[in-house]
Order: sequence, then C-alpha cells, then structure tokens
Amino acid sequence: SQQGEEDPQALSIQEGENATMNCSYKTSINNLQWYRQNSGRGLVHLILIRSNEREKHSGRLRVTLDTSKKSSSLLITASRAADTASYFCATDLGNDMRFGAGTRLTVKP
Amino acid sequence: NAGVMQNPRHLVRRRGQEARLRCSPMKGHSHVYWYRQLPEEGLKFMVYLQKENIIDESGMPKERFSAEFPKEGPSILRIQQVVRGDSAAYFCASSPYGEGYTFGSGTRLTVV
Repeated sequence: SQQGEEDPQALSIQEGENATMNCSYKTSINNLQWYRQNSGRGLVHLILIRSNEREKHSGRLRVTLDTSKKSSSLLITASRAADTASYFCATDLGNDMRFGAGTRLTVKP
Repeated sequence: NAGVMQNPRHLVRRRGQEARLRCSPMKGHSHVYWYRQLPEEGLKFMVYLQKENIIDESGMPKERFSAEFPKEGPSILRIQQVVRGDSAAYFCASSPYGEGYTFGSGTRLTVV
C-alpha cells in the first residue's frame, strides 16, 4: 500500500519563487528520500535524510524531517523553469521503498 | 558505470501475449526493485529481489506476474497473458542497500 502522501498534488509558481512540498507517512522509517521525475523519464534521486536527521541541504534543495509528526518537506529555492517536474517522497521501510503519488510542480518563466 | 539499464524502452503486446521486461542493475548492486506506474500516479512497489531470492513480493499481483533475478544475467519481470490494465510504465531500481536507489528509465508497456 502507499506510504507517503505528498501535498499539494499540484503547485504552480513563477520563476525565482520558492516551492515547498510536504510529505506525510504512516509507519517508522529508516530514511526518507525525495525524487524528481521529468515527464516520461525515470526517477532521479535528489536527497536522502536519515531518521536521526532533522534537516539537510543540497544546493537549492532543503529537506526537513519531523519523525514525531511523521512528515517531511522539500523546499526548492529560487526556482527555475527547469525545475518543472513531478516530485516524489519515498520512505525506506528496510526491505523496500514506498512512494507517494507525487507533487506536480510547474515553474513558469 | 552505465547505471540501471532497462529494456526494451517501449513494448507493445496484444492481449493474451507475454511481456518480458529486463533490468540490469548497476555494477556492484545486488538488490533489485520493480515498480509500476500508472498514468498520473506515483510508483507502486511490486517486488524486491536479491540474487536468486525473492525478498518481498507483497506488491505483485497473485496471478500472471512473476519476477526473477538469476545468479547470472538481468532481472526479469514477466507478465503472462497480458490485459489492457497491465499497460503502464515499469521501473526497475537497484541499490547497494540502505542508500538512495538508482532507477532505470523504465519500460513502457502498451497492451492493444
């Protein structure tokens, strides 16, 4: 069954603005990962945050994890048109990964 | 390192035929995962395999679907007697376990 639930389902912003996507999950996890998928392509791993970490940065990406609330957020700062894609959170349960339905981000030039 | 290789990229099958999807994991990765993605939806876990072992097949339909990861060669996802509802993108991922997965580009199956 699905584990992660992303919010919002779709997000449209102007280039240069920040984009925030949220993910909630239900069970204990080893780590949580964020992926990007361009239309018709495979997933690209963006960032992994372990269950004992609270925040992680990678370039223009900032991920937070709140295990008490079973939630994570992905912030993309200074967005670009090339950031237009679907973003998925995935929870690592130990034996396998579970993905949410994704947030479809559109960045308008 | 060529990454995770899936083939074919596109596969068209008539109802009732068999579909065989192949996945070669990254060099050094012994864990393979198969996911299915329906249009406008997220990935759904199907099966997790290690060499010659099925670890978790809780996401696999009980009938017509099977997967293997032999000692030599790629992992195979096999769908027998395909139906229109099997049309989807099938993604394979490999991992050295505990780290971020590397995904292939997927096989897009169309059943006509």
